[in-house]
Amino acid sequence: DGGITQSPKYLFRKEGQNVTLSCEQNLNHDAMYWYRQDPGQGLRLIYYSQIVNDFQKGDIAEGYSVSREKKESFPLTVTSAQKNPTAFYLCASSIQGQPQHFGDGTRLSIL
Amino acid sequence: AQKITQTQPGMFVQEKEAVTLDCTYDTSDQSYGLFWYKQPSSGEMIFLIYQGSYDEQNATEGRYSLNFQKARKSANLVISASQLGDSAMYFCAGNQGGKLIFGQGTELSVKP
Repeated sequence: DGGITQSPKYLFRKEGQNVTLSCEQNLNHDAMYWYRQDPGQGLRLIYYSQIVNDFQKGDIAEGYSVSREKKESFPLTVTSAQKNPTAFYLCASSIQGQPQHFGDGTRLSIL
Repeated sequence: AQKITQTQPGMFVQEKEAVTLDCTYDTSDQSYGLFWYKQPSSGEMIFLIYQGSYDEQNATEGRYSLNFQKARKSANLVISASQLGDSAMYFCAGNQGGKLIFGQGTELSVKP
């Protein structure tokens, strides 16, 4: 079945460590997105990419990095510069002008 | 920049009754779209319904309908015949240059 796969479902990070969240889609969508959700809050856009080898910062990009080397993959790295990384991270993809489809999310916690 | 406002942090509805979840938006764009998503406690975001600014009729998808009032800049979600499985967070979102801007969400609880 077509869809978006995020892994891992749960992730723990030590202080000062970088971690990478995986997002893969087989929907042949051009655009991919990363959102952060804090408890009781809406989603905030971290980074997005509308085409391979190109991406733009969203509203809260500081402390995060991404790459888009392949159409189906859009990994997010949470760097040690992100001082408050504990959150729920959602990846999405879409065709231009169509609703975004979301993965099941990754919950990141700090040890 | 677009702003989405959901003023109801929580709502209760009796099973089998209808409920309206409010959403207002603020945009200077002439062409825009509004989306509603459902987020169960498991966390995934489920697309429910879409309304384009130039659509002449209110969108409907099964038990979901969108009460779109352009002059009031509101796009309220109406869920008819509520079911226990409708208990979840509901988010209104607007598109801006290919990005989605989300509201704070409304937590809906359906009572048996």
